[in-house]
Amino acid sequence: KNEVEQSPQNLTAQEGEFITINCSYSVGISALHWLQQHPGGGIVSLFMLSSGKKKHGRLIATINIQEKHSSLHITASHPRDSAVYICAVKRDTGNQFYFGTGTSLTVIP
Amino acid sequence: NAGVMQNPRHLVRRRGQEARLRCSPMKGHSHVYWYRQLPEEGLKFMVYLQKENIIDESGMPKERFSAEFPKEGPSILRIQQVVRGDSAAYFCASSRNAGTSTGELFFGEGSRLTVL
Repeated sequence: KNEVEQSPQNLTAQEGEFITINCSYSVGISALHWLQQHPGGGIVSLFMLSSGKKKHGRLIATINIQEKHSSLHITASHPRDSAVYICAVKRDTGNQFYFGTGTSLTVIP
Repeated sequence: NAGVMQNPRHLVRRRGQEARLRCSPMKGHSHVYWYRQLPEEGLKFMVYLQKENIIDESGMPKERFSAEFPKEGPSILRIQQVVRGDSAAYFCASSRNAGTSTGELFFGEGSRLTVL
């Protein structure tokens, strides 16, 4: 069983739709990252959260520590948002990071 | 303020050859992580290093793989006698803090190894 589970695995949306990607984890953490990876490209850190909510442009990330769950929301989605979104958690003991397998998002014009 | 630099970006090797992947962390970062991403799969932890020390290599195969992060110069992931199954993207990430602090993680562009 993976320490980090993401859903859905694949997501197709029409341009302009509101998108939610979920992440659940089973270990104690000190921080959670949302990462973005474009096809054949590198990995960019979108957010690092330890509590509450963060917003950057059309992206919003929330975390509920008690429920061990985080969500990434994209408002007014655009084709350029098409990418793989990865949830990663940093253990609260040691320095390990665990990664979800990613959610592949395709936004259709 | 350069980010995490990895090279080469693409590397082609024949079975049995050696592959060396380099990672220069961000300025001021002394913690380096190596991850492997197989086609259609997620990132898998391989090894975590600080300067001159391997802290956690639990994700790295015991044979053929080794990693170092010398006092001077980049971190190097070395794969000896490569096999086709080693074909993957290898990502390096660096962070400034460790321990109980929430170290923000910065990734390189990755090195894509193809074994013929």
